[in-house]
Amino acid sequence: GDSVTQMEGPVTLSEEAFLTINCTYTATGYPSLFWYVQYPGEGLQLLLKATKADDKGSNKGFEATYRKETTSFHLEKGSVQVSDSAVYFCALRGASGGSYIPTFGRGTSLIVHP
Amino acid sequence: KAGVTQTPRYLIKTRGQQVTLSCSPISGHRSVSWYQQTPGQGLQFLFEYFSETQRNKGNFPGRFSGRQFSNSRSEMNVSTLELGDSALYLCASSLPSGRDTGELFFGEGSRLTVL
Repeated sequence: GDSVTQMEGPVTLSEEAFLTINCTYTATGYPSLFWYVQYPGEGLQLLLKATKADDKGSNKGFEATYRKETTSFHLEKGSVQVSDSAVYFCALRGASGGSYIPTFGRGTSLIVHP
Repeated sequence: KAGVTQTPRYLIKTRGQQVTLSCSPISGHRSVSWYQQTPGQGLQFLFEYFSETQRNKGNFPGRFSGRQFSNSRSEMNVSTLELGDSALYLCASSLPSGRDTGELFFGEGSRLTVL
């Protein structure tokens, strides 16, 4: 079945440091890929997405590129802020028609210190 | 446009009781899915409903059930509660599959504590 593997956390960084959170996946076909973010006490919210190979999703300074050859969707940000402290989930979902179950990684906690 | 609304936000139950959680999706969204989030297991898919029909079900015991109404609102029920059912239960809505990119819109969750 489908699966998503993301790096274990917590990831602890100083403000303005570079961030990378690795995500790799296993899926049949051509899924859509997502990064969701969860702030304390809240539900998940979409951070960015990519629907086909070589697409780059971006939002709020975060970026991730859909790499089919390496089955990866790594999240990056050039300069993190304290307000970026949250849990980040990599996810995939089947591409077209019919029913499909979303698959999530275990989540990576990011802690940014001033 | 209003987001996904889940009620109640917090609740405490004792073992053996049952609980019903409610979810109102974004207007126009007809697909609703439910997830259990725990520190040990992460985010696990419970079930998905579309047009009042269950389309997919995760690997949970029959104590976990759900339904969807004609206005797309959904409820999930957990009977004979166990300590291990303590979790954050998240509901998400989305556009019908095949006409979207699969993005899920989550509510803030219902935090269930079983004593």
